[in-house]
Amino acid sequence: GEDVEQSLFLSVREGDSSVINCTYTDSSSTYLYWYKQEPGAGLQLLTYIFSNMDMKQDQRLTVLLNKKDKHLSLRIADTQTGDSAIYFCAESAGNFNKFYFGSGTKLNVKP
Amino acid sequence: DAGVTQSPTHLIKTRGQQVTLRCSPISGHKSVSWYQQVLGQGPQFIFQYYEKEERGRGNFPDRFSARQFPNYSSELNVNALLLGDSALYLCASSTGRSSYEQYFGPGTRLTVT
Repeated sequence: GEDVEQSLFLSVREGDSSVINCTYTDSSSTYLYWYKQEPGAGLQLLTYIFSNMDMKQDQRLTVLLNKKDKHLSLRIADTQTGDSAIYFCAESAGNFNKFYFGSGTKLNVKP
Repeated sequence: DAGVTQSPTHLIKTRGQQVTLRCSPISGHKSVSWYQQVLGQGPQFIFQYYEKEERGRGNFPDRFSARQFPNYSSELNVNALLLGDSALYLCASSTGRSSYEQYFGPGTRLTVT
């Protein structure tokens, strides 16, 4: 279960909502994550969801999990120019900290 | 509190050389994992160390090795460098062996010429 797929690009206008999608293949995934990476920087943990949950909300971020379709999404409300970055979906399974990452979605927020 | 720190920030090596990258985890974290991020791709898991022992290994050749010290800091060594080893090397720390939250450092950018 090592395939995590994301669309490569998303462009939105400031103030709109952004929805970034991810599909994964490992049905035994325990946790699913969203990380943010700004140019030249490491990965910032944004949020995560346990596999027995359908939704998690954290301020402007909403994570939706469809376990049947193995589909994860991240919604960013009121998107700001500071949200421009690459967003990575990741899954973990098993009993050690081995994460599988997608290739990332580059979010471009236009003023 | 300081986050995960890595050194050096950037490094340029030539093919065939050896390199050592260093990582200090967040205070109180006992697990360190290493990832390789090639430009335009997501990070790929290399190793996890917990309590100074290797707990997981990704699909990387034996040229890659690592160790963890009593203070939980870690080093990643790569021998006989190839051009394809050029990447951002990320270190992540977590509290325990199976912790679900991993926090990443800023990475070391390795360029092999």
